[in-house]
Amino acid sequence: DAKTTQPNSMESNEEEPVHLPCNHSTISGTDYIHWYRQLPSQGPEYVIHGLTSNVNNRMASLAIAEDRKSSTLILHRATLRDAAVYYCILRDPSRGNTGKLIFGQGTTLQVKP
Amino acid sequence: DTEVTQTPKHLVMGMTNKKSLKCEQHMGHRAMYWYKQKAKKPPELMFVYSYEKLSINESVPSRFSPECPNSSLLNLHLHALQPEDSALYLCASSRTYSNQPQHFGDGTRLSIL
Repeated sequence: DAKTTQPNSMESNEEEPVHLPCNHSTISGTDYIHWYRQLPSQGPEYVIHGLTSNVNNRMASLAIAEDRKSSTLILHRATLRDAAVYYCILRDPSRGNTGKLIFGQGTTLQVKP
Repeated sequence: DTEVTQTPKHLVMGMTNKKSLKCEQHMGHRAMYWYKQKAKKPPELMFVYSYEKLSINESVPSRFSPECPNSSLLNLHLHALQPEDSALYLCASSRTYSNQPQHFGDGTRLSIL
């Protein structure tokens, strides 16, 4: 399975944009890029996913590099509630085990008031 | 608001006890999952049920016994657990076992004395 690499931790100021990077240099053509986050004392929460084009939803934006070897999760205005561990995960629907979520270590985001 | 409900939230049990964890969802999802999460580590998949049938067992010891009595309910029966089994046990569901987002409960925090 293709692997992802994320920084261990990042800091942001409240109400500023946050760009969370993810490297996936061995990504295959059919791998989707998924992001989940886990707030303290809660289960993981789906954030967004995409294949090639940039994606937006009410929570965040996902910017995918043209060669797909990296992607960036963008939180447009960080709030204290966005402090969480953010996981970047690759999933391939063409494979039988695509239902599996294989979590890496993720990025712990701290948001300062 | 969590659409996957897990009970109990906390459980303390001795090594000789038998207990069960319960997970319920009413979103019509046909895939359900158990994950284990140790402190400061990412979640790890244990079991997958698809259409009430066990699809994946990630080589979990037999002292953990999953059960899916119907499409809304998932149980995890525990017997003769070891102290190293102390962890947060997370349940998740998705529409089907595929590339679709998984919805997680907030977990049961299990302590083995």
